[in-house]
Amino acid sequence: QQQVKQSPQSLIVQKGGISIINCAYENTAFDYFPWYQQFPGKGPALLIAIRPDVSEKKEGRFTISFNKSAKQFSLHIMDSQPGDSATYFCAATLYNFNKFYFGSGTKLNVKP
Amino acid sequence: EAGVTQFPSHSVIEKGQTVTLRCDPISGHDNLYWYRRVMGKEIKFLLHFVKESKQDESGMPNNRFLAERTGGTYSTLKVQPAELEDSGVYFCASSPQGGNTEAFFGQGTRLTVV
Repeated sequence: QQQVKQSPQSLIVQKGGISIINCAYENTAFDYFPWYQQFPGKGPALLIAIRPDVSEKKEGRFTISFNKSAKQFSLHIMDSQPGDSATYFCAATLYNFNKFYFGSGTKLNVKP
Repeated sequence: EAGVTQFPSHSVIEKGQTVTLRCDPISGHDNLYWYRRVMGKEIKFLLHFVKESKQDESGMPNNRFLAERTGGTYSTLKVQPAELEDSGVYFCASSPQGGNTEAFFGQGTRLTVV
């Protein structure tokens, strides 16, 4: 059973637009939700993360929205740029652990 | 500072052969993790070392997979004999001792079993 479900599988956005990727999780014990960004030929790299005691976290153009009651969280990329084109993975785990349950990934293509 | 390094970057082997993947974590990182992504699916946890000890190997698919971490430094993941369904990208990650520490991923090894 997949613990974290991610959508969409792929996303095309025009430069300057907003990219939105959604994830839903099963285990209510999860208390740490990171997003990873992966460029071709590279490993996933931590982009931004949130804990469930807050509903939103913003770092520059990247924002995580978190809905604990719905067991959902999403990544918003404002003013999307071609350099943001990458595969994005949401994940969930127990805080202080790095045994992540990943979503299946979203391939984002930002067109100039 | 060097990041997590994995060797080889790509490997193509025939079904039934043996393959050994290697991971060099960031120096001083006690925690080492292996993950695998199969063909567009989610990245799945395989196992976790703390220094040279296996802390959690609940994600290992079967006994054809053997992971070791010599002296708490680099780690190897051996697949013997390889099957078609073992194809995928194998990622290694490392993190320092202690909680709430970022895990750094290597670039992955793409394994293709034909």
